[in-house]
Amino acid sequence: EADIYQTPRYLVIGTGKKITLECSQTMGHDKMYWYQQDPGMELHLIHYSYGVNSTEKGDLSSESTVSRIRTEHFPLTLESARPSHTSQYLCASSVLTGSTEAFFGQGTRLTVV
Amino acid sequence: AQSVTQLDSQVPVFEEAPVELRCNYSSSVSVYLFWYVQYPNQGLQLLLKYLSGSTLVKGINGFEAEFNKSQTSFHLRKPSVHISDTAEYFCAVSDRGSARQLTFGSGTQLTVLP
Repeated sequence: EADIYQTPRYLVIGTGKKITLECSQTMGHDKMYWYQQDPGMELHLIHYSYGVNSTEKGDLSSESTVSRIRTEHFPLTLESARPSHTSQYLCASSVLTGSTEAFFGQGTRLTVV
Repeated sequence: AQSVTQLDSQVPVFEEAPVELRCNYSSSVSVYLFWYVQYPNQGLQLLLKYLSGSTLVKGINGFEAEFNKSQTSFHLRKPSVHISDTAEYFCAVSDRGSARQLTFGSGTQLTVLP
């Protein structure tokens, strides 16, 4: 079944640690996105990609980085986690053109202590 | 640039009552419109979308929305809500004919009371 997967679902980590949030999709979509969402708040786009070797920064500035070496995989990395990075991170994918309907993963809730 | 305004941050309603969640957008070009639902600790699930054609769009779980170009609105409605409809609802817009990403509203928390 075509889907989009995020791991881990929940992560509690200490300040200064390096973390990578994983996102994979099996739908063959070219576009992938990372959104940041604080509890009860709107979604803010932090990164997106049009395809392999393409990465762009979104509307909200973020200290995280992303890579797109394979079409199906779009990991997000924080080199040194801080409490201000505590949030929910949502990954999504869509076709490149047309309706741009996005399909979302279940999210990773990150807590930095 | 495009933007989305969801006029109500919280909407409490009794079970079996009708509900309307309001959404207005602004854009300099024609748009596609979407409503997503988010249950606690989950990702977003598409409820319905307007691409073209009939301005009344029917979605999953008995929801529908009407596109009003003159008022730049895309309000979500359900004639009779259930407890299970309690969730956060997001309106989103994207430009037609481009590869731009979705722009989301700030969300409306719908709470259905017994």
